[in-house]
Amino acid sequence: DAGVIQSPRHEVTEMGQEVTLRCKPISGHNSLFWYRQTMMRGLELLIYFNNNVPIDDSGMPEDRFSAKMPNASFSTLKIQPSEPRDSAVYFCASSPGLAGGHYEQYFGPGTRLTVT
Amino acid sequence: AQSVTQLDSQVPVFEEAPVELRCNYSSSVSVYLFWYVQYPNQGLQLLLKYLSGSTLVESINGFEAEFNKSQTSFHLRKPSVHISDTAEYFCAVSDGDNQGGKLIFGQGTELSVKP
Repeated sequence: DAGVIQSPRHEVTEMGQEVTLRCKPISGHNSLFWYRQTMMRGLELLIYFNNNVPIDDSGMPEDRFSAKMPNASFSTLKIQPSEPRDSAVYFCASSPGLAGGHYEQYFGPGTRLTVT
Repeated sequence: AQSVTQLDSQVPVFEEAPVELRCNYSSSVSVYLFWYVQYPNQGLQLLLKYLSGSTLVESINGFEAEFNKSQTSFHLRKPSVHISDTAEYFCAVSDGDNQGGKLIFGQGTELSVKP
């Protein structure tokens, strides 16, 4: 398996622009997680899905952030409009979920977002 | 709610010395515990996990962690570290009844191995 795939790996954009981050989870995994990592705030869970349904979006910082999972093999995290304080590394992770008693998460390589 | 505390934000150590990275979690009836490692400019990788059974778990690269229920701890140890172990280490916990496999992560411990 190729693991969790994220694109793009790097994104540089200007303040006010829309940014879309993409994630393909590991095939067969039931849960998908979006995280943000910064030096100041560490690793933050933004939102997670189980069987394509959003379960907890309490970590989404504000309405400028939205996430979708239209099917089991694809998810997007969108920021509109983007601001310099959104600059961070965004990780996607997937997990087999409760099936078989597996709880570990598998992380993608991350998208480094820079908003100027 | 479940929480995780990593007591040291940075741990400097010399090569071939032993190291212990400390992790404590808030008590729960049943928990699953994990250590992840993040090398510079990479994603997090699972290092080892405790789900049930033996309280001592090991990784393939010489790390081990011991689940201590009475002290609610899951400290990570290695008897002799290498330069290549320089990375950030995250402890994580999942409630046994948690739907969807959500993990609670600690703030991370930066391990710096010096020659």
